[in-house]
Amino acid sequence: QPVLTQSSSASASLGSSVKLTCTLSSGHSTNIIAWHQHQPGKAPRYLMKVEGTGNYNKGSGVPDRFSGSSSGADRHLTISNLQSEDEADYYCETWDSNTRVFGGGTKLTVL
Amino acid sequence: EVQLLESGGDLVQPGGSLRLSCAASGFTFSNYAMSWVRQAPGKGLEWVSSIGGSGSTTYYADSVKGRFTISRDNSKNTLYLQMNSLRAEDTAVYYCAKLIPAVGSAYWGQGTLVTVSS
Repeated sequence: QPVLTQSSSASASLGSSVKLTCTLSSGHSTNIIAWHQHQPGKAPRYLMKVEGTGNYNKGSGVPDRFSGSSSGADRHLTISNLQSEDEADYYCETWDSNTRVFGGGTKLTVL
Repeated sequence: EVQLLESGGDLVQPGGSLRLSCAASGFTFSNYAMSWVRQAPGKGLEWVSSIGGSGSTTYYADSVKGRFTISRDNSKNTLYLQMNSLRAEDTAVYYCAKLIPAVGSAYWGQGTLVTVSS
């Protein structure tokens, strides 16, 4: 089954940009992944799916500041013009025929 | 508007049982696969189980296989998770999610807390 690897933490300044990475395990480098935002005490929020081609499709209401990209087995989430409300945990998700997998999550701190 | 509302979380003793429910609205429930995902205190998201739209196909994480049973009642637009032989490590907030093919867990509920403790 696929494994997703994420850095445990990231930080960036208010108004700047940050790029989070989710790496797919060997043999699964073409998988589609989904990015989710999770703030304490709230429901997780679907942000977008990112394909191996680099194409991405955002969920309803996701600000333009959020974008996706891909390079090999890496799937990226870029947040531009960081706002304080972007401080959250970010998880990637993928799946195969009979299982679903989440990455360990990246805790984003907005300085 | 898609809405998912979990219920049934409680404090239960080790070895006990609990049934979670997820009431869905705002979409044709029977057309979509659904999942349960949990988050233990201080930990990340962990997939628990998924079920196809008709209910005929089910999948489980190894950590719950043989103890948990996912099911759905499409006439009631409700998803269930029957949890037996509960362990302390099952303590978590349990979320239900609507799955969209090639998209992932597209909508999430607010979660329900399950605490397994004596």
